[in-house]
Amino acid sequence: AQTVTQSQPEMSVQEAETVTLSCTYDTSESDYYLFWYKQPPSRQMILVIRQEAYKQQNATENRFSVNFQKAAKSFSLKISDSQLGDAAMYFCAYLQGAQKLVFGQGTRLTINP
Amino acid sequence: DTGVSQDPRHKITKRGQNVTFRCDPISEHNRLYWYRQTLGQGPEFLTYFQNEAQLEKSRLLSDRFSAERPKGSFSTLEIQRTEQGDSAMYLCASSPSLQGDTQYFGPGTRLTVL
Repeated sequence: AQTVTQSQPEMSVQEAETVTLSCTYDTSESDYYLFWYKQPPSRQMILVIRQEAYKQQNATENRFSVNFQKAAKSFSLKISDSQLGDAAMYFCAYLQGAQKLVFGQGTRLTINP
Repeated sequence: DTGVSQDPRHKITKRGQNVTFRCDPISEHNRLYWYRQTLGQGPEFLTYFQNEAQLEKSRLLSDRFSAERPKGSFSTLEIQRTEQGDSAMYLCASSPSLQGDTQYFGPGTRLTVL
């Protein structure tokens, strides 16, 4: 079974600085998708960024970018110019086909003003 | 696009009671998923539907749990004879049926079993 591991339960960063959240996963498949979701306190989960495993190019969305290392099964999220609104739980997730997401345990990100 | 909606947002019940939650997916999405999230953890998959067909159920889904999606539109998740261990956030998500499609989540229903 596929597993996703986020080794950083909590991270903090100064406003306007850059922070990187780590994620590793385990799979024997070659075709899959990876996601980062953000869950602000008491609010719903929203998509941050999506990566297709067959694409070598790292996905970017404005201040958010990933470092996808397929051979190492690593998928880290970099947040540049951190803002107070970035404070949330961040979940890394794995998807094969159009089936279930497998989530990591999450990383709580705090932004210090 | 109104997004995924869930009702109720909060439910407090006594142990042994039955509860039912509703999820309305994004209208053009064929797939609908249920997840359970306990405090401080990532969501765990429960079950999913392709239109009205329930395609997979997790081993987490005991025989006290049942889910339906009549007519392939909204879905209900029922928990019979609730236990304190059922206390959690129940999340619904929907997606188109293409491979790798993003799942969009609703706000969740927080269940507290006393």
